[in-house]
Amino acid sequence: QVQLQESGPGLVKPSQTLSLTCTVSSGSISSGGYYWSWVRQPAGKGLEWIGRIYTDGSTNYNPSLRSRITISLDTSKNQFSLNLSSVTAADTAVYYCARDVGYYYASGSYSNWFDPWGQGTLVTVPT
Amino acid sequence: SALTQPASVSGSPGQSITISCTGTSSDVGGYNYVSWYQQHPGKAPKLKIYDVTNRPSGVSRRFSGSKSGNTASLTISGLQAEDEADYYCTSYTSSSTLVFGGGTKVTVL
Repeated sequence: QVQLQESGPGLVKPSQTLSLTCTVSSGSISSGGYYWSWVRQPAGKGLEWIGRIYTDGSTNYNPSLRSRITISLDTSKNQFSLNLSSVTAADTAVYYCARDVGYYYASGSYSNWFDPWGQGTLVTVPT
Repeated sequence: SALTQPASVSGSPGQSITISCTGTSSDVGGYNYVSWYQQHPGKAPKLKIYDVTNRPSGVSRRFSGSKSGNTASLTISGLQAEDEADYYCTSYTSSSTLVFGGGTKVTVL
């Protein structure tokens, strides 16, 4: 049963770059043809998809965050990472990594779901 | 923009409840790519339904999904105390991105 674990600083100063890593265990990040995603959740609020990366390094990002996001992959460490630049207090949230399971159809549309998820890590950006 | 879910739904043990997830023809109505997640306080979300109606291995048959037009629904039958949690829907969109619903708090009376 694959497991995911987020790690990174719990406090990031405004205007700096938030950097998180997700370590995948009990399974290879390169096998199975999966995407790997980041999702965040501000305290008391709903979920927001941030972006995903495929095993070939190709990425898809949430358009609302695209200009500030970089997601990368390190297959030798079985990890993928999130960099979010120019952070503000609005970026304070619990950040989750998740395996992104899905299928591309001939039309180009993509059916996907997240399973499993990491336990999440709280990142605070002070005002 | 986010899919629309009711803020809260409640029911007594043993009853059935239904949570709605309303979008547009550009997301929920245009694709059968709706999934549902359960989230207990302080915990990570867990997948309950994918592709509108499909239940992953290990998920109770008490959870079922459906869709009509631009609205998807999650039904929990035989409500149990352990079902008390927040529930979120998601859908693929015509912009090739993914959108979540605002979440619904389920209370077992």
